[in-house]
Parts: sequence; structure tokens; C-alpha cells
Amino acid sequence: RKEVEQDPGPFNVPEGATVAFNCTYSNSASQSFFWYRQDCRKEPKLLMSVYSSGNEDGRFTAQLNRASQYISLLIRDSKLSDSATYLCVVDQYNNNDMRFGAGTRLTVKP
Amino acid sequence: EPEVTQTPSHQVTQMGQEVILRCVPISNHLYFYWYRQILGQKVEFLVSFYNNEISEKSEIFDDQFSVERPDGSNFTLKIRSTKLEDSAMYFCASSFQAAGSFGAGTRLSVL
Repeated sequence: RKEVEQDPGPFNVPEGATVAFNCTYSNSASQSFFWYRQDCRKEPKLLMSVYSSGNEDGRFTAQLNRASQYISLLIRDSKLSDSATYLCVVDQYNNNDMRFGAGTRLTVKP
Repeated sequence: EPEVTQTPSHQVTQMGQEVILRCVPISNHLYFYWYRQILGQKVEFLVSFYNNEISEKSEIFDDQFSVERPDGSNFTLKIRSTKLEDSAMYFCASSFQAAGSFGAGTRLSVL
């Protein structure tokens, strides 16, 4: 099993749609989880951390399911500017050794 | 807003040459990282650095690679003898705890 696995997509959705991404991780002892976004040929930028209780930031909601070892990202009312690759990141040994998923590409169309 | 800065933005080198990629992390951050991303592929962890020493390194980070924090501000990645397959975008990141902030990257092209 890969350390961090994501559906690569692409996800092509119309503006205003709701879209969800999942990510699975292999190390059950992992404690820290994050979603980053990466625009084409740019650096990854932190979108949000993922907390055990789930957390929301505007149109973005992140969830953690420890039993099934996955995290999710939900984007509501998607905008054209949401088009990017979304990277799942896991600090798998809780020592700041961040492992990235391959990313899920999202394209929001008018 | 403070940011991680990297220089140069693009480095072209001949195979077998040594290169040094430079980074200035955010000043109050404690953890420093190097990642690489081969074009079209995922971001790969290379090394993390804390308290003036390497804390973790991946299988990619072999004897050809080294890191230094020569003064209070710079954090460098050295590749001793570059290979064609070292061509990639190299990202530096820093963090106070987890969730690093990334620099804009150095594109390394090995010819």
C-alpha cells in the first residue's frame, strides 16, 4: 500500500458544484494531516490542516476517519479559481517527515 | 506576510557538476525541509532539518546530497555530482511546528 494515495482525477466540474476528494494513508499511527493546493508550476500552498473533529473554512470542509485511515476534502459552490491540484499530506511518523500524495487535479468550468 | 525565498529560480548545470541551492526560511521557524518534484510527478520529501542537524531523510537523499545551515538565515542543499535524473523543481519549506510554508522553488536542469 502506498504511503499516501489519492485518486489522480481529473475532476471536471461546473461552477457551483460540490466536489469531494479522498485520500488514504498507510501508517495508522499518523497524527497530522493537511491539504495543500498546487497551481501549475507553482509551489504547494497550505489550504487547511485536518483535525480529528473535522474542520471547516468557508466553502472547504476537511474530515478525518482514523478507523478507515482516510481524510477527505469537500469543496462547496466551486469557483473557477478552485482549479488546481489538491495534495494530501501526512506527517506519517509525527516527526515532520511530510509525505505527499500524488495529487488530485480539479478543473472547474464555467 | 513572511515568506520562504529561494535562489536561483532556475539553475542549469552540466552532468557531474556540483550545485548549491539556497533558501532563506521564515525567521522564527524551527524546522526546515527540502522537497523535489520531477515534472509531472508528485512532490517527494528529501530531508528535514531541526536543531542544526538532519532529523529525517528519505531514500532519495543519498550521499550525493547534503544540507547546511551555514548561518542564522540560510539553508542550502548541495548536490555533489549531478545526474540527468536530478533535473526537477526543488522546493524548500520551513515550519514552526507542522504544515510547512514553501518557497517558489528552484528549477534545476541537468544537461
